[in-house]
Amino acid sequence: NAGVTQTPKFQVLKTGQSMTLQCAQDMNHEYMSWYRQDPGMGLRLIHYSVGAGITDQGEVPNGYNVSRSTTEDFPLRLLSAAPSQTSVYFCASTLEGTRDSPLHFGNGTRLTVT
Amino acid sequence: GNSVTQMEGPVTLSEEAFLTINCTYTATGYPSLFWYVQYPGEGLQLLLKATKADDKGSNKGFEATYRKETTSFHLEKGSVQVSDSAVYFCALSDRQAGTALIFGKGTTLSVSS
Repeated sequence: NAGVTQTPKFQVLKTGQSMTLQCAQDMNHEYMSWYRQDPGMGLRLIHYSVGAGITDQGEVPNGYNVSRSTTEDFPLRLLSAAPSQTSVYFCASTLEGTRDSPLHFGNGTRLTVT
Repeated sequence: GNSVTQMEGPVTLSEEAFLTINCTYTATGYPSLFWYVQYPGEGLQLLLKATKADDKGSNKGFEATYRKETTSFHLEKGSVQVSDSAVYFCALSDRQAGTALIFGKGTTLSVSS
């Protein structure tokens, strides 16, 4: 019963490097999203997807790319890391596309950019 | 725009004390309201939700009532335990896409024995 799985758990990057944060869910959820969590800021939506092949921007999309080629996977790409992207990143999914749907979260990826 | 405001923490209580964490919101339309909890080193988990005015969500001894007239969704528990120590987030969703939640900044609760 894996739920939402994020890898890696920790990552350190140098400014300008690129990387991909992985997110996979095994619950056949159509809806997936990425949030970043910063001290005193709560969680802010980066990108989300309502199904395979469909993505859209959230509140803070700059510097991040996403794609959704399968229902299960929703990777988040940092093309050129900046110190401002130091954060904890959470992937989340939900089954139903209604406003009542609770989110299922992964355990997060802690990213440090030096 | 839509927003959620939570009381700032940290909140420090002794075991068996009464807990209130205030949450107010600003939204157009008729949002659903949620409380999520984050234990150390983990992701967020849904604690409770309410989908319309006057609904009361409850779980694990926690309760919150959707008050449209005061645009509030305060979290309460009558007797906290050490195991309730965590960060609590209030959130709202008023879009068809279930992933579009707007979160408050979170309130850290620390319970001592």
